[in-house]
Amino acid sequence: NAGVMQNPRHLVRRRGQEARLRCSPVKGHSHVYWYRQLPEEGLKFMVYLQKENIIDESGMPKERFSAEFPKEGPSILRIQQVVRGDSAAYFCASSPPSRQTQYFGPGTRLLVL
Amino acid sequence: AQKITQTQPGMFVQEKEAVTLDCTYDTSDPSYGLFWYKQPSSGEMIFLIYQGSYDQQNATEGRYSLNFQKARKSANLVISASQLGDSAMYFCAMRERNTDKLIFGTGTRLQVFP
Repeated sequence: NAGVMQNPRHLVRRRGQEARLRCSPVKGHSHVYWYRQLPEEGLKFMVYLQKENIIDESGMPKERFSAEFPKEGPSILRIQQVVRGDSAAYFCASSPPSRQTQYFGPGTRLLVL
Repeated sequence: AQKITQTQPGMFVQEKEAVTLDCTYDTSDPSYGLFWYKQPSSGEMIFLIYQGSYDQQNATEGRYSLNFQKARKSANLVISASQLGDSAMYFCAMRERNTDKLIFGTGTRLQVFP
C-alpha cells in the first residue's frame, strides 16, 4: 500500500522562477490538502481539493499561488515568481471519503535563493 | 476563533518512562476532531491518534493514548514506555465539523534519553 507520494523531495529555485510541487494521494483517496510549514512552526492550511474542484482555498496567498487536482494525474501546487519568503516545507495530505483522518506525504522542501 | 495551544516547546523523558504532552484547544463548534502527529527529524508527518468530540472513551493506539478532558478543552497525548525512537516533534491539531482543514499547534519537541 503506497502512501501519499510527493515529488520532488527537495527543490531549489532562484527568485522569479516557477516552482511545481506534485502530490499523488493514497489510492482510493479523492480529497487532497496542501499545507505549508515554515521553519520551527506548525503546519498552516493552504487549500483543499477534490478531483477537478477547489473546495476551500482560504489559506492560499492571493497572488502567485495556484493548485489543481485534475481528473487524471497528481495534484499540483504551483508557485509563480518565487520569492525568498516562499522557502518552506510544503506538505500534501489525502483522506478517504469519510474525511476523518488526513495522511501526509513526506513533504517538498523548497529553497529559494 | 479556533485555536490550538501547545505550551511546552520542549520535553525530556528517560527511556521506558511515560510522558504527557499538553494540548488545549478553543472552538465554539460542538462537533470537532482532535489529532496528534509525529514529525521525526527526517521531516515526514506521521498520524498517531484521533479523538472525536462525541467519543465517550479516550482514544488509544498502542503506546499512545489521548487524555481527553472536554470541559477543560484539553487533549493531552500520553506516550507510555518511551523509546529512543520517540524523539521527535509532536503536533496537536483540530478539525471542526464544517471545515476540512486542520489547525495545528506550534509543536512540542520530545527528547528521549537513555
